[in-house]
Order: sequence, then C-alpha cells, then structure tokens
Amino acid sequence: QVQLVQSGGGVVPPGKSLRLSCTTSGFVFSDYGMQWVRQAPGKGLEWVASVWHDGSATDYPDSVKGRFTVSRDNSKDTLYLQMNSLTVEDTAVYFCARPNVGSSGYYDYFDNWGHGTLVTVSS
Amino acid sequence: SYVLTQPPSVSVAPGQTASLSCGGTNFGRRSVHWYQHKAGQAPKLVVFDDTDRPSGIPDRFSGSKSGSAATLTISRVEAGDEADYYCQVWDNSDHYVFGGGTKVTVL
Repeated sequence: QVQLVQSGGGVVPPGKSLRLSCTTSGFVFSDYGMQWVRQAPGKGLEWVASVWHDGSATDYPDSVKGRFTVSRDNSKDTLYLQMNSLTVEDTAVYFCARPNVGSSGYYDYFDNWGHGTLVTVSS
Repeated sequence: SYVLTQPPSVSVAPGQTASLSCGGTNFGRRSVHWYQHKAGQAPKLVVFDDTDRPSGIPDRFSGSKSGSAATLTISRVEAGDEADYYCQVWDNSDHYVFGGGTKVTVL
C-alpha cells in the first residue's frame, strides 16, 4: 500500500531554517509530481510547494516563494522541503501529499497524504 | 486568486443527513474534491471529480455540483463522521485551492 512517512519538524527561532523529509513506498515515486500542504493553527489547508516527477520544475504560492525550496531524490523515493527565513506565520503542520489524475486530465486532487509534521517558529 | 467558500460549521444529529456546501465562481469544468480531516490525522479523500468515491469510502458520502455550488452530503451521520471537511479545486494560477473548511459536529 502507498505510504508517505514524514520526518523533520520541530521548534525553530524566527529567521532560521528547517528541512522536512517525506519518504515514500508502495508506488513508483518517479511517476508522480509531489506536493506539500500545510495547516496553520486554527486555519484551513494551504498548498505550499509542487515539484514535477523528475524534479525539473517547481512552483510555490507567493506566501513562501523565495524562502521555501522543494526537491526530491528519486533514487531514495524521498521528497524534501527546505524552509529558510522562517517566520511565526510559517508555524503549521506540514503534510506531503501525492496527487492523482482527475477527469480534467490534470493531477488535481490528493489521494494519499503523509501523517503531518509540526513546525513551530518561536523565539 | 480563486476563492472557495464554505460555511464554518454544521451540526447534525446521529442518523440524520448533513449537507455541506462549497461555493466558487465559474465552477464550470473544474472538478471539485472533498477531504475529511480529523485532528492529528492525515486528511482523507472522500469524494473526487465532483461525485466519485475512492474505494473504502462508504456510500453514505456523496458529492454533487450544480452551477457555482458543490455539495457534500453525508447520509445517516455517525459519531465517527465528526471532522473538518474541505472542498478543493485545481486552478491554473493558484494550483491547489482549498475552501476554508466546515466543522461537522454530531450532536
């Protein structure tokens, strides 16, 4: 079965960096673009990063662009999120997620999620 | 940016039906997807492509869409259905857009 196992996270002061990992199994990792989604305390879900199946392209919303970098190692079936210049607004539970193809023809919904990892930015 | 609007909360008695709405402009050809999210757990896909259910999701969960509104209906509500529910669409500019979520409380 598909598994997404997350690691990393923790408490970090504002301005510092943190890296999250998401190790996958149960599917051909290199066939899928992968995503990161977060949920701030008391808030809803927010997409924060995308990476193509081969790592050749990435995308981010404006809220994290220039500070977060998503990458992947297809030889290790692992996804990463490097978070720099963290602010208190980045405090959230971060989920890795695998998208799948909808009737639109796009990979437009998530059929598998990691368990989430808490990142707390605090002095 | 594309916005999806959900009511913040819905309360329902066990055995009754809960209808959760999701509003967006020009749903048109966008597919709407729904997730159940319980505290401390990973979100779970319950409906995709407006009306389809993943394997393992009971048929008490159903989705529909008409015009600028989509609806997730939970029939014969059980205590275990208590959770936050999010609708989501794909947007070419904003990529994965989520509604603000609806908290379902089982009375």
